[in-house]
Amino acid sequence: KQEVTQIPAALSVPEGENLVLNCSFTDSAIYNLQWFRQDPGKGLTSLLLIQSSQREQTSGRLNASLDKSSGRSTLYIAASQPGDSATYLCAAGTSGTYKYIFGTGTRLKVLA
Amino acid sequence: DTGVSQDPRHKITKRGQNVTFRCDPISEHNRLYWYRQTLGQGPEFLTYFQNEAQLEKSRLLSDRFSAERPKGSFSTLEIQRTEQGDSAMYLCASSLRGGGADEQFFGPGTRLTVL
Repeated sequence: KQEVTQIPAALSVPEGENLVLNCSFTDSAIYNLQWFRQDPGKGLTSLLLIQSSQREQTSGRLNASLDKSSGRSTLYIAASQPGDSATYLCAAGTSGTYKYIFGTGTRLKVLA
Repeated sequence: DTGVSQDPRHKITKRGQNVTFRCDPISEHNRLYWYRQTLGQGPEFLTYFQNEAQLEKSRLLSDRFSAERPKGSFSTLEIQRTEQGDSAMYLCASSLRGGGADEQFFGPGTRLTVL
């Protein structure tokens, strides 16, 4: 049974800092790993998708990596801004099913 | 707007009432998913459709819950005899089989409050 864990649960950083959010999963038979952003009371916004054959994806100040063998993905945010404040969720798509298993998220606050 | 849309955005109901939510996926997407999210938790999978066929259901989907996607386009999620424990955000997502490795795109959600 796939389980997804995100560490830390909450993070508060000053503006401009580079930061790393961690996501770990127990079943390495994944077909993709997707990172989302969620603002309070809102739906999920897709940030990056890493397919199982890929090691990393980049979009602007965001970089996500995937290491299936160790069951880990990281989301790197460069030069953080107050507008980056949100909850970040990772979700694993496991082979044999189409559903995503989500972590509980990391609540990020970037202080101006 | 070409994204996933959900209606209503908010629903307040009394315990024991029935409620129905609607999801309109991105137009060319053939896969549609329902998730439920409670405060401070990540979304939990409820059910999945490929075209009009419901291919997977979670054990979370009790007999009081039913989902349909009659023409392979929009979907409805009905909850009968609502309970206070049904209070949550109900999220819909869609994806395109064979496109973008099944990247899921989410709607804004329907927030249900059961009094």
